[in-house]
Amino acid sequence: QSVLTQPPSVSGAPGQRVTISCTGSSSNIGAGYDVQWYQQFPGTAPKLLIYATNNRPSGVPDRFSGSKSGTSASLAITGLQAEDEADYYCQSYDSSLSGVVFGGGTKLTVL
Amino acid sequence: QVQLVQSGAEVKKAGSSVKVSCKASGGTFSSYSLNWVRQAPGQGPEWMGRTIPMFGITMYAQKFQGRVTITADKSTGTAYMDLSSLRSEDTAVYYCARGPPDTAMVTGMDVWGQGTTVTVSS
Repeated sequence: QSVLTQPPSVSGAPGQRVTISCTGSSSNIGAGYDVQWYQQFPGTAPKLLIYATNNRPSGVPDRFSGSKSGTSASLAITGLQAEDEADYYCQSYDSSLSGVVFGGGTKLTVL
Repeated sequence: QVQLVQSGAEVKKAGSSVKVSCKASGGTFSSYSLNWVRQAPGQGPEWMGRTIPMFGITMYAQKFQGRVTITADKSTGTAYMDLSSLRSEDTAVYYCARGPPDTAMVTGMDVWGQGTTVTVSS
């Protein structure tokens, strides 16, 4: 049972926009801690996609964006491409656990 | 550009310990934190703890307190994760990842090792 809750799967057609939610609580996202998002392909390490809730590392396309409201955060992907098919994980800090926490992951399928 | 290179796969018996290494090539740890994250088959990542070699600070996830030891050798740019009293549930891919020094790690973990598969058999 992950501290941050994500939908197990989302899907969309090429060119469409999809969002992935990440629900936390008053001790993590709701406490104001930033959210990071990672993209992972099978057999590889996670890759940082979004940091500090809505910032992209160099090289990440601007089709990826993040936002946060209350105890939840979202990752939006616009202009969906086949190469976006991967697992996505949110991550934050939890003050009750005094540590970094991850979501359980969302598998994105491009139809 | 710093790369993190981890040691090879391990097969261990339940009750034993495993030590995984992570060497920074092409750079140093500088003031970054070095985190250990594991991922069991079909599961999300799980943070185990981290060390900030420059400041000699180490912290562990509550779940692993007393069972994990994270160390770093600044002279060789190598970090280590030692997990004891292994059980079948510890079978996972273990990653080291570079992060910022702040507690909440607001800039995320931006450089990851290739992962080390640890298999625990009974």
